[in-house]
Amino acid sequence: DAMVIQNPRYQVTQFGKPVTLSCSQTLNHNVMYWYQQKSSQAPKLLFHYYDKDFNNEADTPDNFQSRRPNTSFCFLDIRSPGLGDAAMYLCATSSGGQGGNQPQHFGDGTRLSIL
Amino acid sequence: TQLLEQSPQFLSIQEGENLTVYCNSSSVFSSLQWYRQEPGEGPVLLVTVVTGGEVKKLKRLTFQFGDARKDSSLHITAAQPGDTGLYLCAGAKGDWFNKFYFGSGTKLNVKP
Repeated sequence: DAMVIQNPRYQVTQFGKPVTLSCSQTLNHNVMYWYQQKSSQAPKLLFHYYDKDFNNEADTPDNFQSRRPNTSFCFLDIRSPGLGDAAMYLCATSSGGQGGNQPQHFGDGTRLSIL
Repeated sequence: TQLLEQSPQFLSIQEGENLTVYCNSSSVFSSLQWYRQEPGEGPVLLVTVVTGGEVKKLKRLTFQFGDARKDSSLHITAAQPGDTGLYLCAGAKGDWFNKFYFGSGTKLNVKP
C-alpha cells in the first residue's frame, strides 16, 4: 500500500498560472520534504518541515512556497511557473528524533509540464 | 559544490557482467541510503547503512559503508536487464532529524 501519495501524477499548467501539488502520508512521520528533479539528475531539496517548523533551502526560488496544515498533508505552491520549472516534483517523509538511521520514503512524484 | 560525488555517471554493460558504483565525500554521514529509480517513478529505497565498515547484501547487490562513514559502494553481480535504472546514494546528516545529500546519480543500462 502506498504510504506517501502524491497528486496528481501529471500536471500541465500554463506559463505564469499558479499551480498546487499535494502530498499525503500514512506513516505519521514528523518530517516532510519537497524535491525538484530534472531529467536523470539527482533530486534537489527545495524545503522541508519538521512538524510545523519550515526550512527553506537558500537557493529555492521565491516563486516556490509550501504549506503543511497537519501531519499528513503537505502542499507545494508554484506562484508563477516558468518554463524552467518543468520537472518531476518529489515528496518524501522521514521520522524525526535523535539517531541517524531513519531513511526517507518517497512518493511517486508529480510530473509538471509548462505550456 | 556536491557534498557526495557519485561515479560513474553512466554505465552501459552486458547482461551477466559485474559493476560497482561509488559514492565519496569528505564529510561524515550518520547513515547512507541507496535508492533505485525508474523513469516516471519516485526513488525506491534499497538499503540503509549506518555503521562504519558495514556490509549489507540484497540478493545480487552488495552495499558497503566506509569505515569512516564518508563513502559507500554498491556492487551488482551478474547484472540483469531488470537492474536498469537510476541509482542514487544519499548521505544523512542531522541532530534531531535527517537532511539528505544526494549524489549525482548513476544511470545504469543492462543490455540483454
